[in-house]
Amino acid sequence: EDQVTQSPEALRLQEGESSSLNCSYTVSGLRGLFWYRQDPGKGPEFLFTLYSAGEEKEKERLKATLTKKESFLHITAPKPEDSATYLCAVQSLNSNSGYALNFGKGTSLLVTP
Amino acid sequence: DSGVTQTPKHLITATGQRVTLRCSPRSGDLSVYWYQQSLDQGLQFLIQYYNGEERAKGNILERFSAQQFPDLHSELNLSSLELGDSALYFCASSVGTANEKLFFGSGTQLSVL
Repeated sequence: EDQVTQSPEALRLQEGESSSLNCSYTVSGLRGLFWYRQDPGKGPEFLFTLYSAGEEKEKERLKATLTKKESFLHITAPKPEDSATYLCAVQSLNSNSGYALNFGKGTSLLVTP
Repeated sequence: DSGVTQTPKHLITATGQRVTLRCSPRSGDLSVYWYQQSLDQGLQFLIQYYNGEERAKGNILERFSAQQFPDLHSELNLSSLELGDSALYFCASSVGTANEKLFFGSGTQLSVL
C-alpha cells in the first residue's frame, strides 16, 4: 500500500530564515510526486509535479527535489505570505486506482515577520 | 479562483440524515474527483468520474454515492450520516482521466450533530 509521510507536522520560521520540508514515500511504481499548497478555508493549489529521481523544479522562493525515497520542498528566504499548509502526494503507476493521488497529512508552515 | 464551484459552503445536519453536495468543474474539464479531509486522516480520495462514468474508487463508504451528470457537474450523496462523517469535502477537476494537475474547489464543511 502506498504511504506518504510528511515532516515536520508544523514549522515556524522567521522571515528570511530558509528551511526544508520533507516528504517520504513508499509506492509500487512512482508515476509522479506532487506538491500542493493549502491556505486556511481553501482547497489545495497545485505547485509542482516531479517524475523521476534527480528532478528539480522551482517557483519563486520554492524549490522541489526528488530522490527514490523522498522529496524536499526548500523554502528560501520565506515571507509571511508563504505561510500555509504544504501537501505532498504520490501517484502510483497502478492504474487500478485510476491514478488517484495519495496525500500526506501536510506540513503547516508559519512565517513570522 | 480555481474555477471549481462547490455548494453549499457549510452544511449542518443531524445523525441519520442524508445530504447532497454539489460540484461544478472548471470549464473544459471532464474529470471530477471527490476528497474528504479530516484532521486525523488528511485528504482521502473517495471517487472519480470521467465524462459521466465512474473511473476509480478510493476509500468511499457504502453509505456514500456520487454521480456525474451530462453537463459534467457532480453530486456526492451522503446518507445515514454519523458523527464521524463530519469533515471538509473537496471536489477537484482535471482535463483527462489521469491528469495529476487537479484544480480544487473551496470545499463543503459538513458538521453532523
